Amino acid sequence: AQSVTQLGSHVSVSEGALVLLRCNYSSSVPPYLFWYVQYPNQGLQLLLKYTSAATLVKGINGFEAEFKKSETSFHLTKPSAHMSDAAEYFCAAFSGGYNKLIFGAGTRLAVHP
Amino acid sequence: DTAVSQTPKYLVTQMGNDKSIKCEQNLGHDTMYWYKQDSKKFLKIMFSYNNKELIINETVPNRFSPKSPDKAHLNLHINSLELGDSAVYFCASRSGGSDEQFFGPGTRLTVL
Repeated sequence: AQSVTQLGSHVSVSEGALVLLRCNYSSSVPPYLFWYVQYPNQGLQLLLKYTSAATLVKGINGFEAEFKKSETSFHLTKPSAHMSDAAEYFCAAFSGGYNKLIFGAGTRLAVHP
Repeated sequence: DTAVSQTPKYLVTQMGNDKSIKCEQNLGHDTMYWYKQDSKKFLKIMFSYNNKELIINETVPNRFSPKSPDKAHLNLHINSLELGDSAVYFCASRSGGSDEQFFGPGTRLTVL
């Protein structure tokens, strides 16, 4: 069965520092992969997605992610963190024929001055 | 113009009660979903409807019954509420030609 693993339930960075949130998937066939962000008390917003086109995907708010098949990874990065980036981040993959999203456990990003 | 809306936003109720959560999307999408987010923020799919037909039904107690009166609406009815049902429930929708799901703002259900 498809599964998504996010390493690190909490990540803390300084403002201006590099953000790196890790995501690994398990699948014999590379799935479609997504990163969603959830701000406090809000719904999920799509940051970016990989759908078997370019392996380096750029998203909103300066985030990008690189699909690495050899490592079964889809890590999310941002060169310079901003205070407004503090949120919960979810990696997800499609499973099955009806676009059922399988989510990782989430990573809470804290940004401090 | 809210793309995917849910009502109510907050729902506090006693154990044993029956309650409903409503979801509406104005995006013209033909597939809708219900997800449950537990207290540890873990998100799991519950149901999905495509053109009013149930296509995904995960291992969910039969106290939960989704209903789709039309393509734009997917409601969730919960009978005999239990403490463990306390969670945030998210509705989402997707167009048939796309892989992106649009999420509603969530309904925080608290069972006392």
